[in-house]
Amino acid sequence: EVLLLESGGGLVQPGGSLRLSCAASGFTFSSYAMHWVRQAPGKGLEHVAGISTTGGSTYYVDSVKGRFSISRDNSKNTVFLQMGSLRPEDVAVYYCARGVVRYDDSDNFWISSMDVWGQGTTVTVSS
Amino acid sequence: DIQMTQSPSSLSASVGDRVTITCRASQSIRRNLNWYQQEPGKAPKLLIYAASRLQSGVPSRFSGSGSGTDFTLTISSLRPDDIATYYCQKSDSTLSSTFGPGTKVEIK
Repeated sequence: EVLLLESGGGLVQPGGSLRLSCAASGFTFSSYAMHWVRQAPGKGLEHVAGISTTGGSTYYVDSVKGRFSISRDNSKNTVFLQMGSLRPEDVAVYYCARGVVRYDDSDNFWISSMDVWGQGTTVTVSS
Repeated sequence: DIQMTQSPSSLSASVGDRVTITCRASQSIRRNLNWYQQEPGKAPKLLIYAASRLQSGVPSRFSGSGSGTDFTLTISSLRPDDIATYYCQKSDSTLSSTFGPGTKVEIK
């Protein structure tokens, strides 16, 4: 069974740091890009960060650039999100998701989507 | 930046109704568009990729269409377990993307 299991969420003071982990199982982890998506209470989904299969390329949404860092350990089938300088607006459920890239031959293009999701881990920033 | 909008923001329909949700991009995104379903308290689930391709295991009452700037997600016959918020997502590259604001579907 394909599974993603997040951990590391919790309560942290403003300005503090937290490291989220996402352990993957049931698939060849090193063959897939991985992503972190967050959802603030009562709000929509926000794609926070993504990392390529080797870790050589990364993506960050503007609001977390310079504060968050995504990394992966393919030997341990785990992706991480190191979060620093945390702010109240970072309060959210953080989901880990697997990225799948498929070729659509009807229009000759590659499409990326997130086909497997974890259950989420909650981050609270408060003094 | 290309902006994504969805309409309506919420809707109420009866079991068995045909439901249509619209997603619009501020510029053409060809067919780089995915749809997700998020049931209350759960993680999102991929329904449709590349605007119209049904993800494996997703019931055939879900369908997607469109290209360029205008896209639709259709539920052909609404069921009680379709109660959820539906999000479109534009795929910019293999690593970056943007979600739409979501459409909440309720049973009348």
